[in-house]
Amino acid sequence: QVQLQESGPGLVKPSQTLSLTCTVSGGTIRTDGYYWSWIRQRPGKGLEWIGYIYYNGDTYYSPPLKSRVSISVDTSKNKVFLNVTFVSAADTAVYYCARGLIAYGNFDYWGQGTLVSVSS
Amino acid sequence: QSMLTQPPSVTGAPGQRITISCTGSSSNIGANYDVHWYRQLPGTAPERLIYGTDKRPSGVPDRFSGSKSGASASLAITGLQTEDEADYYCQSYDNSLRGAVFGGGTKVTVL
Repeated sequence: QVQLQESGPGLVKPSQTLSLTCTVSGGTIRTDGYYWSWIRQRPGKGLEWIGYIYYNGDTYYSPPLKSRVSISVDTSKNKVFLNVTFVSAADTAVYYCARGLIAYGNFDYWGQGTLVSVSS
Repeated sequence: QSMLTQPPSVTGAPGQRITISCTGSSSNIGANYDVHWYRQLPGTAPERLIYGTDKRPSGVPDRFSGSKSGASASLAITGLQTEDEADYYCQSYDNSLRGAVFGGGTKVTVL
Protein backbone atom coordinates (compact mmCIF):
# COMPACT_ATOMS: atom_id res chain seq x y z
CA GLN A 1 0.00 0.00 0.00
CA VAL A 2 1.31 3.41 -0.97
CA GLN A 3 1.98 5.74 1.94
CA LEU A 4 2.87 9.41 1.87
CA GLN A 5 4.42 11.34 4.72
CA GLU A 6 4.88 15.09 4.80
CA SER A 7 7.66 16.68 6.83
CA GLY A 8 9.09 20.12 7.38
CA PRO A 9 9.14 23.09 9.74
CA GLY A 10 5.90 23.81 11.55
CA LEU A 11 6.68 27.51 11.84
CA VAL A 12 7.93 29.88 9.17
CA LYS A 13 8.49 33.62 9.47
CA PRO A 14 6.70 36.02 7.13
CA SER A 15 8.51 36.74 3.86
CA GLN A 16 10.60 33.59 4.22
CA THR A 17 10.37 30.35 2.24
CA LEU A 18 8.22 27.39 3.25
CA SER A 19 9.86 24.08 2.35
CA LEU A 20 8.19 20.71 2.73
CA THR A 21 9.10 17.15 1.81
CA CYS A 22 6.78 14.29 0.93
CA THR A 23 8.31 10.85 1.35
CA VAL A 24 6.61 8.11 -0.63
CA SER A 25 6.79 4.50 0.49
CA GLY A 26 5.16 1.30 -0.69
CA GLY A 27 5.54 2.35 -4.31
CA THR A 28 7.82 4.29 -6.61
CA ILE A 29 7.37 7.83 -7.87
CA ARG A 30 8.67 6.63 -11.23
CA THR A 31 5.37 5.03 -12.17
CA ASP A 32 3.43 5.88 -15.29
CA GLY A 33 -0.12 6.91 -14.74
CA TYR A 34 0.32 8.98 -11.62
CA TYR A 35 1.22 12.49 -10.65
CA TRP A 36 2.23 13.85 -7.28
CA SER A 37 0.42 16.80 -5.86
CA TRP A 38 0.40 19.31 -3.04
CA ILE A 39 -2.90 20.46 -1.62
CA ARG A 40 -3.47 22.74 1.33
CA GLN A 41 -6.27 23.52 3.73
CA ARG A 42 -6.35 26.79 5.62
CA PRO A 43 -7.76 26.58 9.16
CA GLY A 44 -11.48 25.98 9.01
CA LYS A 45 -11.51 26.23 5.22
CA GLY A 46 -11.74 23.96 2.22
CA LEU A 47 -9.14 22.23 0.09
CA GLU A 48 -6.95 24.19 -2.30
CA TRP A 49 -4.89 22.60 -5.05
CA ILE A 50 -1.35 24.00 -5.16
CA GLY A 51 0.19 22.05 -8.03
CA TYR A 52 1.46 18.72 -9.22
CA ILE A 53 4.45 17.09 -10.84
CA TYR A 54 5.04 14.06 -12.99
CA TYR A 55 8.09 11.95 -12.34
CA ASN A 56 9.70 13.32 -15.49
CA GLY A 57 9.66 16.75 -13.90
CA ASP A 58 6.70 18.29 -15.75
CA THR A 59 4.87 20.61 -13.38
CA TYR A 60 1.52 22.39 -13.24
CA TYR A 61 0.74 25.08 -10.70
CA SER A 62 -2.37 26.84 -9.53
CA PRO A 63 -2.33 30.25 -11.28
CA PRO A 64 -2.83 32.31 -8.10
CA LEU A 65 0.21 30.65 -6.52
CA LYS A 66 2.35 30.07 -9.60
CA SER A 67 4.71 32.98 -9.02
CA ARG A 68 5.66 31.74 -5.52
CA VAL A 69 5.48 27.95 -5.77
CA SER A 70 7.85 25.29 -7.04
CA ILE A 71 7.48 21.53 -6.87
CA SER A 72 10.28 19.09 -7.59
CA VAL A 73 11.06 15.40 -7.22
CA ASP A 74 14.02 13.24 -6.32
CA THR A 75 13.15 9.91 -7.88
CA SER A 76 16.21 8.22 -6.39
CA LYS A 77 14.92 9.02 -2.91
CA ASN A 78 11.22 8.73 -3.72
CA LYS A 79 10.58 12.24 -2.45
CA VAL A 80 8.50 15.18 -3.62
CA PHE A 81 9.32 18.70 -2.54
CA LEU A 82 7.33 21.92 -2.16
CA ASN A 83 8.70 25.43 -1.86
CA VAL A 84 6.56 28.48 -1.31
CA THR A 85 8.40 31.79 -1.28
CA PHE A 86 7.52 35.10 0.38
CA VAL A 87 5.00 33.53 2.72
CA SER A 88 2.44 35.47 4.71
CA ALA A 89 -0.16 34.60 7.32
CA ALA A 90 -2.46 33.61 4.46
CA ASP A 91 -0.18 30.66 3.79
CA THR A 92 -0.86 29.19 7.23
CA ALA A 93 -2.46 25.84 6.48
CA VAL A 94 -2.27 22.08 6.68
CA TYR A 95 -0.30 20.97 3.66
CA TYR A 96 -1.09 17.58 2.14
CA CYS A 97 0.86 15.51 -0.31
CA ALA A 98 -1.35 13.32 -2.50
CA ARG A 99 -1.03 10.88 -5.40
CA GLY A 100 -3.18 11.59 -8.41
CA LEU A 101 -4.40 9.21 -11.09
CA ILE A 102 -3.91 10.61 -14.55
CA ALA A 103 -6.70 8.48 -15.99
CA TYR A 104 -9.37 9.95 -13.75
CA GLY A 105 -7.83 13.08 -12.30
CA ASN A 106 -8.56 12.21 -8.69
CA PHE A 107 -6.33 11.75 -5.65
CA ASP A 108 -6.27 8.21 -4.31
CA TYR A 109 -3.65 8.36 -1.58
CA TRP A 110 -3.05 11.23 0.81
CA GLY A 111 -0.48 11.97 3.45
CA GLN A 112 -1.64 12.78 6.95
CA GLY A 113 -0.84 16.44 6.40
CA THR A 114 1.46 18.83 8.19
CA LEU A 115 0.47 22.13 9.76
CA VAL A 116 2.59 25.10 8.79
CA SER A 117 2.06 28.35 10.64
CA VAL A 118 3.42 31.63 9.33
CA SER A 119 4.20 33.97 12.18
CA SER A 120 6.99 36.17 13.44
CA GLN B 1 -14.23 31.42 -3.56
CA SER B 2 -14.28 27.82 -4.78
CA MET B 3 -14.81 27.06 -8.46
CA LEU B 4 -17.18 24.26 -7.51
CA THR B 5 -20.17 25.21 -5.36
CA GLN B 6 -21.46 22.99 -2.58
CA PRO B 7 -24.03 23.68 0.13
CA PRO B 8 -22.27 24.48 3.41
CA SER B 9 -24.29 21.96 5.36
CA VAL B 10 -26.76 19.11 4.99
CA THR B 11 -28.62 17.47 7.85
CA GLY B 12 -30.46 14.18 7.99
CA ALA B 13 -31.83 11.65 10.42
CA PRO B 14 -30.43 8.15 10.80
CA GLY B 15 -31.61 5.91 7.99
CA GLN B 16 -32.52 8.80 5.72
CA ARG B 17 -31.21 9.55 2.26
CA ILE B 18 -29.38 12.80 1.67
CA THR B 19 -27.76 14.34 -1.37
CA ILE B 20 -24.94 16.84 -1.67
CA SER B 21 -24.81 18.92 -4.81
CA CYS B 22 -21.70 20.19 -6.57
CA THR B 23 -22.18 22.85 -9.21
CA GLY B 24 -19.46 23.73 -11.65
CA SER B 25 -19.17 25.42 -15.03
CA SER B 26 -18.35 24.87 -18.66
CA SER B 27 -14.63 24.70 -17.90
CA ASN B 28 -14.87 21.83 -15.44
CA ILE B 29 -17.85 19.55 -14.79
CA GLY B 30 -19.72 20.98 -17.79
CA ALA B 31 -16.75 20.11 -19.99
CA ASN B 32 -17.42 16.47 -19.16
CA TYR B 33 -14.56 16.00 -16.75
CA ASP B 34 -14.99 13.38 -14.06
CA VAL B 35 -16.15 14.37 -10.58
CA HIS B 36 -14.69 12.87 -7.43
CA TRP B 37 -15.81 12.95 -3.83
CA TYR B 38 -13.83 12.87 -0.61
CA ARG B 39 -14.82 12.48 3.00
CA GLN B 40 -12.85 14.20 5.72
CA LEU B 41 -13.28 13.35 9.37
CA PRO B 42 -12.18 15.98 11.91
CA GLY B 43 -8.42 16.23 12.20
CA THR B 44 -7.73 13.72 9.46
CA ALA B 45 -6.77 13.80 5.81
CA PRO B 46 -9.45 13.53 3.13
CA GLU B 47 -10.15 10.02 1.87
CA ARG B 48 -11.43 9.03 -1.53
CA LEU B 49 -15.11 8.14 -1.51
CA ILE B 50 -16.18 8.26 -5.16
CA TYR B 51 -13.98 8.58 -8.22
CA GLY B 52 -14.69 8.80 -11.91
CA THR B 53 -18.08 10.36 -11.07
CA ASP B 54 -19.76 7.11 -10.00
CA LYS B 55 -17.12 4.55 -9.03
CA ARG B 56 -16.54 3.33 -5.50
CA PRO B 57 -13.10 2.25 -4.29
CA SER B 58 -13.03 -1.12 -2.59
CA GLY B 59 -14.18 -0.83 0.98
CA VAL B 60 -16.62 2.03 0.39
CA PRO B 61 -20.16 0.78 1.04
CA ASP B 62 -22.77 0.99 -1.70
CA ARG B 63 -24.72 3.44 0.48
CA PHE B 64 -22.56 6.05 -1.25
CA SER B 65 -23.21 6.85 -4.90
CA GLY B 66 -22.26 9.59 -7.33
CA SER B 67 -23.89 11.01 -10.40
CA LYS B 68 -23.51 13.89 -12.83
CA SER B 69 -25.74 15.88 -15.13
CA GLY B 70 -24.56 18.80 -17.19
CA ALA B 71 -22.38 21.06 -15.10
CA SER B 72 -23.52 19.60 -11.78
CA ALA B 73 -22.84 16.47 -9.79
CA SER B 74 -24.32 14.88 -6.71
CA LEU B 75 -23.27 12.57 -3.93
CA ALA B 76 -26.05 10.51 -2.40
CA ILE B 77 -25.84 8.79 0.95
CA THR B 78 -28.58 6.31 1.78
CA GLY B 79 -29.22 4.70 5.14
CA LEU B 80 -27.54 7.62 6.87
CA GLN B 81 -25.46 6.61 9.89
CA THR B 82 -23.94 8.62 12.71
CA GLU B 83 -20.46 7.76 11.47
CA ASP B 84 -21.29 9.58 8.22
CA GLU B 85 -20.90 12.87 10.06
CA ALA B 86 -17.99 14.50 8.28
CA ASP B 87 -17.07 17.12 5.72
CA TYR B 88 -17.52 16.11 2.08
CA TYR B 89 -15.69 17.67 -0.87
CA CYS B 90 -16.21 17.36 -4.59
CA GLN B 91 -13.33 17.74 -7.03
CA SER B 92 -12.88 17.92 -10.77
CA TYR B 93 -10.46 19.17 -13.39
CA ASP B 94 -10.68 22.67 -14.80
CA ASN B 95 -9.31 23.36 -18.25
CA SER B 96 -8.92 27.10 -17.68
CA LEU B 97 -6.98 26.54 -14.47
CA ARG B 98 -5.28 23.48 -15.99
CA GLY B 99 -5.52 21.77 -12.67
CA ALA B 100 -7.71 20.36 -9.95
CA VAL B 101 -10.59 22.30 -8.46
CA PHE B 102 -12.44 21.56 -5.25
CA GLY B 103 -15.80 22.47 -3.86
CA GLY B 104 -15.96 24.46 -0.65
CA GLY B 105 -17.06 21.42 1.32
CA THR B 106 -20.33 20.31 2.89
CA LYS B 107 -20.68 19.43 6.55
CA VAL B 108 -23.04 16.51 7.06
CA THR B 109 -24.80 16.33 10.39
CA VAL B 110 -26.79 13.31 11.53
CA LEU B 111 -29.56 14.25 13.92
